[in-house]
Amino acid sequence: DVKVTQSSRYLVKRTGEKVFLECVQDMDHENMFWYRQDPGLGLRLIYFSYDVKMKEKGDIPEGYSVSREKKERFSLILESASTNQTSMYLCAGRQSPSETQYFGPGTRLLVL
Amino acid sequence: EDQVTQSPEALRLQEGESSSLNCSYTVSGLRGLFWYRQDPGKGPEFLFTLYSAGEEKEKERLKATLTKKESFLHITAPKPEDSATYLCAVVGTYKYIFGTGTRLKVLA
Repeated sequence: DVKVTQSSRYLVKRTGEKVFLECVQDMDHENMFWYRQDPGLGLRLIYFSYDVKMKEKGDIPEGYSVSREKKERFSLILESASTNQTSMYLCAGRQSPSETQYFGPGTRLLVL
Repeated sequence: EDQVTQSPEALRLQEGESSSLNCSYTVSGLRGLFWYRQDPGKGPEFLFTLYSAGEEKEKERLKATLTKKESFLHITAPKPEDSATYLCAVVGTYKYIFGTGTRLKVLA
């Protein structure tokens, strides 16, 4: 059974804090993704990684960075959290572009 | 520009009332079309992958079909537990392009 896990289901942080969201997959997937999901806007791609230590900007990378030191782990970093980064964050993994992308359970982040 | 449009935005059905959800897409070089179900506060759950026009997939009360311009998710005799948001996505060159989803509510 495929498995993508995220370190927290809910997080509450203060404006200006540095925030780490962790994602781990056990499917040996090459590609990993970070999205945010907001009502009316759907899923928007923040960053993706197609291999260890490789990263590419998605559609909305501003205010975020990522790290992929090991194949199974992909971290999203909010360098200085702001209230407009309050959202649902979803991690996903897939083996190749034409294959299914599997999602984690999501992290609901509230920035006060 | 690659694009996915889902309709309707929201749908209310009575239990047992069959219907279809639509996913229209524009993408250069379709490599796959994917359907997901998402419950409130949870990550999307994979349902189906379709790769070529004419292909169909079924799972319980759900059936997905694909043409060159759109996909349909048919729901036969739905139950209240089918209530969820249904997301469609396509992949062309590399990235998934998601629609904004159809919120389905099935009333008992």
